[in-house]
Amino acid sequence: NAGVMQNPRHLVRRRGQEARLRCSPMKGHSHVYWYRQLPEEGLKFMVYLQKENIIDESGMPKERFSAEFPKEGPSILRIQQVVRGDSAAYFCASSRQGDTGELFFGEGSRLTVL
Amino acid sequence: SQQGEEDPQALSIQEGENATMNCSYKTSINNLQWYRQNSGRGLVHLILIRSNEREKHSGRLRVTLDTSKKSSSLLITASRAADTASYFCATANSGGSNYKLTFGKGTLLTVNP
Repeated sequence: NAGVMQNPRHLVRRRGQEARLRCSPMKGHSHVYWYRQLPEEGLKFMVYLQKENIIDESGMPKERFSAEFPKEGPSILRIQQVVRGDSAAYFCASSRQGDTGELFFGEGSRLTVL
Repeated sequence: SQQGEEDPQALSIQEGENATMNCSYKTSINNLQWYRQNSGRGLVHLILIRSNEREKHSGRLRVTLDTSKKSSSLLITASRAADTASYFCATANSGGSNYKLTFGKGTLLTVNP
Protein backbone atom coordinates (compact mmCIF):
# COMPACT_ATOMS: atom_id res chain seq x y z
CA ASN A 1 0.00 0.00 0.00
CA ALA A 2 3.01 2.29 -0.33
CA GLY A 3 2.18 5.45 -2.17
CA VAL A 4 -1.34 6.33 -1.03
CA MET A 5 -0.82 9.04 1.56
CA GLN A 6 -3.43 9.86 4.14
CA ASN A 7 -3.34 12.50 6.82
CA PRO A 8 -3.82 12.97 9.58
CA ARG A 9 -3.21 9.43 10.80
CA HIS A 10 -5.08 10.17 14.01
CA LEU A 11 -7.65 12.87 14.64
CA VAL A 12 -9.56 13.64 17.80
CA ARG A 13 -12.64 15.82 17.67
CA ARG A 14 -15.36 16.78 20.11
CA ARG A 15 -18.99 16.28 19.21
CA GLY A 16 -20.20 19.02 16.89
CA GLN A 17 -16.80 19.83 15.42
CA GLU A 18 -15.71 19.23 11.85
CA ALA A 19 -13.28 16.58 10.67
CA ARG A 20 -11.29 16.84 7.44
CA LEU A 21 -9.39 13.85 6.17
CA ARG A 22 -7.00 14.10 3.25
CA CYS A 23 -5.82 11.56 0.72
CA SER A 24 -3.21 11.80 -1.99
CA PRO A 25 -3.43 8.89 -4.43
CA MET A 26 -0.52 6.93 -5.76
CA LYS A 27 1.41 8.60 -8.54
CA GLY A 28 -0.33 8.07 -11.83
CA HIS A 29 -3.65 7.16 -10.20
CA SER A 30 -6.65 9.36 -10.90
CA HIS A 31 -9.36 7.29 -9.22
CA VAL A 32 -9.92 7.65 -5.48
CA TYR A 33 -12.18 5.67 -3.16
CA TRP A 34 -13.07 6.20 0.49
CA TYR A 35 -13.97 3.33 2.80
CA ARG A 36 -14.90 3.34 6.47
CA GLN A 37 -14.05 0.67 9.02
CA LEU A 38 -16.10 0.75 12.19
CA PRO A 39 -14.67 -1.05 15.25
CA GLU A 40 -14.78 -4.83 14.86
CA GLU A 41 -16.22 -4.51 11.35
CA GLY A 42 -15.03 -4.93 7.80
CA LEU A 43 -14.50 -1.98 5.50
CA LYS A 44 -17.53 -0.44 3.86
CA PHE A 45 -17.52 1.55 0.63
CA MET A 46 -18.42 5.21 0.90
CA VAL A 47 -17.57 7.11 -2.28
CA TYR A 48 -15.68 6.97 -5.56
CA LEU A 49 -14.21 10.10 -7.10
CA GLN A 50 -12.23 11.15 -10.09
CA LYS A 51 -10.69 14.57 -10.52
CA GLU A 52 -13.46 17.14 -10.00
CA ASN A 53 -16.17 14.48 -10.23
CA ILE A 54 -18.07 12.32 -7.80
CA ILE A 55 -18.72 9.07 -9.65
CA ASP A 56 -20.52 7.04 -6.99
CA GLU A 57 -21.51 8.24 -3.54
CA SER A 58 -23.98 5.48 -2.79
CA GLY A 59 -22.20 4.55 0.43
CA MET A 60 -22.05 8.04 1.88
CA PRO A 61 -24.41 9.02 4.69
CA LYS A 62 -26.89 11.53 3.32
CA GLU A 63 -26.12 14.20 5.88
CA ARG A 64 -22.95 15.74 7.29
CA PHE A 65 -20.58 13.82 4.99
CA SER A 66 -19.08 15.20 1.79
CA ALA A 67 -16.12 14.38 -0.40
CA GLU A 68 -14.20 16.14 -3.10
CA PHE A 69 -11.23 15.53 -5.34
CA PRO A 70 -10.20 18.89 -6.80
CA LYS A 71 -8.17 19.42 -9.93
CA GLU A 72 -5.18 20.26 -7.76
CA GLY A 73 -4.44 18.78 -4.38
CA PRO A 74 -5.62 15.80 -2.38
CA SER A 75 -9.03 14.30 -2.06
CA ILE A 76 -10.82 15.44 1.08
CA LEU A 77 -13.46 13.66 3.12
CA ARG A 78 -15.31 16.15 5.28
CA ILE A 79 -17.52 15.27 8.22
CA GLN A 80 -19.50 18.12 9.72
CA GLN A 81 -20.92 18.18 13.25
CA VAL A 82 -19.29 14.90 14.17
CA VAL A 83 -21.01 12.46 16.52
CA ARG A 84 -19.55 9.58 18.52
CA GLY A 85 -20.80 7.10 15.94
CA ASP A 86 -18.44 8.66 13.38
CA SER A 87 -15.47 7.26 15.31
CA ALA A 88 -13.85 4.87 12.87
CA ALA A 89 -10.88 4.32 10.63
CA TYR A 90 -11.31 5.99 7.24
CA PHE A 91 -9.34 4.44 4.44
CA CYS A 92 -8.57 5.92 1.08
CA ALA A 93 -7.68 3.78 -1.91
CA SER A 94 -6.64 4.63 -5.43
CA SER A 95 -6.38 2.93 -8.79
CA ARG A 96 -4.88 3.77 -12.14
CA GLN A 97 -8.05 2.86 -13.99
CA GLY A 98 -11.59 2.78 -12.78
CA ASP A 99 -13.52 -0.36 -12.04
CA THR A 100 -10.64 -2.82 -12.34
CA GLY A 101 -11.01 -3.89 -8.74
CA GLU A 102 -7.30 -3.50 -8.01
CA LEU A 103 -7.28 -0.95 -5.26
CA PHE A 104 -4.25 0.28 -3.35
CA PHE A 105 -5.09 1.39 0.17
CA GLY A 106 -3.52 4.00 2.39
CA GLU A 107 -2.72 3.56 6.08
CA GLY A 108 -5.99 5.11 7.12
CA SER A 109 -7.06 8.04 9.29
CA ARG A 110 -8.41 7.12 12.68
CA LEU A 111 -11.07 9.51 13.90
CA THR A 112 -12.04 9.55 17.55
CA VAL A 113 -15.00 11.64 18.59
CA LEU A 114 -15.13 12.50 22.27
CA SER B 1 -24.23 -14.07 7.68
CA GLN B 2 -22.96 -11.24 5.55
CA GLN B 3 -21.29 -11.20 2.17
CA GLY B 4 -17.61 -11.99 2.48
CA GLU B 5 -17.61 -13.68 5.85
CA GLU B 6 -14.32 -15.16 7.03
CA ASP B 7 -13.89 -18.28 9.07
CA PRO B 8 -12.42 -18.78 11.61
CA GLN B 9 -12.58 -15.45 13.37
CA ALA B 10 -9.25 -16.14 15.02
CA LEU B 11 -6.48 -18.64 14.33
CA SER B 12 -3.33 -19.28 16.33
CA ILE B 13 -0.55 -21.49 14.96
CA GLN B 14 3.15 -22.14 15.40
CA GLU B 15 5.76 -20.80 13.04
CA GLY B 16 6.33 -23.18 10.16
CA GLU B 17 2.79 -24.53 10.15
CA ASN B 18 0.27 -23.83 7.42
CA ALA B 19 -2.67 -21.50 7.98
CA THR B 20 -5.97 -21.89 6.18
CA MET B 21 -8.68 -19.25 6.24
CA ASN B 22 -12.04 -19.51 4.57
CA CYS B 23 -14.44 -16.99 3.14
CA SER B 24 -18.07 -17.48 2.22
CA TYR B 25 -20.24 -15.12 0.26
CA LYS B 26 -23.84 -14.97 -0.87
CA THR B 27 -24.21 -13.33 -4.25
CA SER B 28 -22.53 -13.94 -7.60
CA ILE B 29 -19.20 -12.21 -7.94
CA ASN B 30 -16.86 -10.76 -10.54
CA ASN B 31 -13.82 -11.38 -8.41
CA LEU B 32 -12.69 -12.07 -4.89
CA GLN B 33 -9.67 -10.54 -3.22
CA TRP B 34 -7.69 -11.20 -0.07
CA TYR B 35 -6.11 -8.41 1.96
CA ARG B 36 -3.86 -8.34 5.00
CA GLN B 37 -4.04 -5.71 7.69
CA ASN B 38 -1.47 -5.38 10.40
CA SER B 39 -2.77 -3.90 13.63
CA GLY B 40 -3.43 -0.20 13.23
CA ARG B 41 -2.21 -0.16 9.65
CA GLY B 42 -3.69 -0.05 6.18
CA LEU B 43 -4.72 -2.92 3.97
CA VAL B 44 -2.22 -4.69 1.79
CA HIS B 45 -3.58 -6.36 -1.35
CA LEU B 46 -2.49 -10.00 -1.45
CA ILE B 47 -4.21 -11.64 -4.37
CA LEU B 48 -7.20 -11.30 -6.71
CA ILE B 49 -8.99 -14.29 -8.18
CA ARG B 50 -11.58 -13.86 -10.89
CA SER B 51 -14.85 -15.75 -11.02
CA ASN B 52 -13.65 -17.93 -13.90
CA GLU B 53 -10.50 -18.98 -12.03
CA ARG B 54 -10.33 -21.84 -9.55
CA GLU B 55 -6.89 -21.50 -8.03
CA LYS B 56 -4.12 -18.96 -7.87
CA HIS B 57 -0.67 -18.91 -6.31
CA SER B 58 1.57 -16.11 -5.19
CA GLY B 59 4.70 -17.04 -3.26
CA ARG B 60 3.58 -18.80 -0.08
CA LEU B 61 -0.06 -17.96 -0.75
CA ARG B 62 -2.56 -20.23 -2.41
CA VAL B 63 -6.11 -19.11 -3.04
CA THR B 64 -8.94 -21.29 -4.22
CA LEU B 65 -12.37 -20.27 -5.39
CA ASP B 66 -15.44 -22.48 -5.60
CA THR B 67 -18.25 -20.49 -7.15
CA SER B 68 -20.70 -23.37 -6.81
CA LYS B 69 -20.25 -23.27 -3.04
CA LYS B 70 -19.69 -19.52 -2.98
CA SER B 71 -16.53 -19.94 -0.98
CA SER B 72 -12.84 -19.23 -1.13
CA SER B 73 -9.86 -20.28 0.93
CA LEU B 74 -6.52 -18.66 1.58
CA LEU B 75 -3.64 -20.95 2.46
CA ILE B 76 -0.40 -19.56 3.83
CA THR B 77 2.33 -22.17 3.82
CA ALA B 78 5.35 -22.28 6.13
CA SER B 79 4.00 -19.43 8.22
CA ARG B 80 6.25 -16.85 9.85
CA ALA B 81 5.77 -14.63 12.85
CA ALA B 82 5.60 -11.70 10.42
CA ASP B 83 2.42 -13.21 8.94
CA THR B 84 0.59 -12.26 12.14
CA ALA B 85 -2.20 -9.95 10.98
CA SER B 86 -5.89 -9.80 10.17
CA TYR B 87 -6.87 -11.24 6.81
CA PHE B 88 -9.93 -10.04 4.94
CA CYS B 89 -11.69 -11.32 1.89
CA ALA B 90 -13.49 -8.82 -0.30
CA THR B 91 -15.90 -9.48 -3.11
CA ALA B 92 -16.89 -7.45 -6.13
CA ASN B 93 -20.42 -8.49 -6.96
CA SER B 94 -21.34 -9.35 -10.51
CA GLY B 95 -23.58 -6.76 -12.06
CA GLY B 96 -22.01 -4.23 -9.75
CA SER B 97 -18.87 -2.19 -9.79
CA ASN B 98 -15.46 -3.72 -9.17
CA TYR B 99 -14.45 -0.85 -6.94
CA LYS B 100 -17.38 -1.37 -4.58
CA LEU B 101 -15.85 -4.16 -2.55
CA THR B 102 -17.71 -5.91 0.23
CA PHE B 103 -15.39 -6.89 3.06
CA GLY B 104 -15.86 -9.44 5.78
CA LYS B 105 -14.90 -8.92 9.40
CA GLY B 106 -11.64 -10.75 8.97
CA THR B 107 -9.66 -13.59 10.48
CA LEU B 108 -7.07 -12.66 13.08
CA LEU B 109 -4.04 -14.88 12.50
CA THR B 110 -1.42 -15.19 15.19
CA VAL B 111 1.80 -17.02 14.33
CA ASN B 112 3.75 -17.89 17.43
CA PRO B 113 7.54 -18.03 17.12
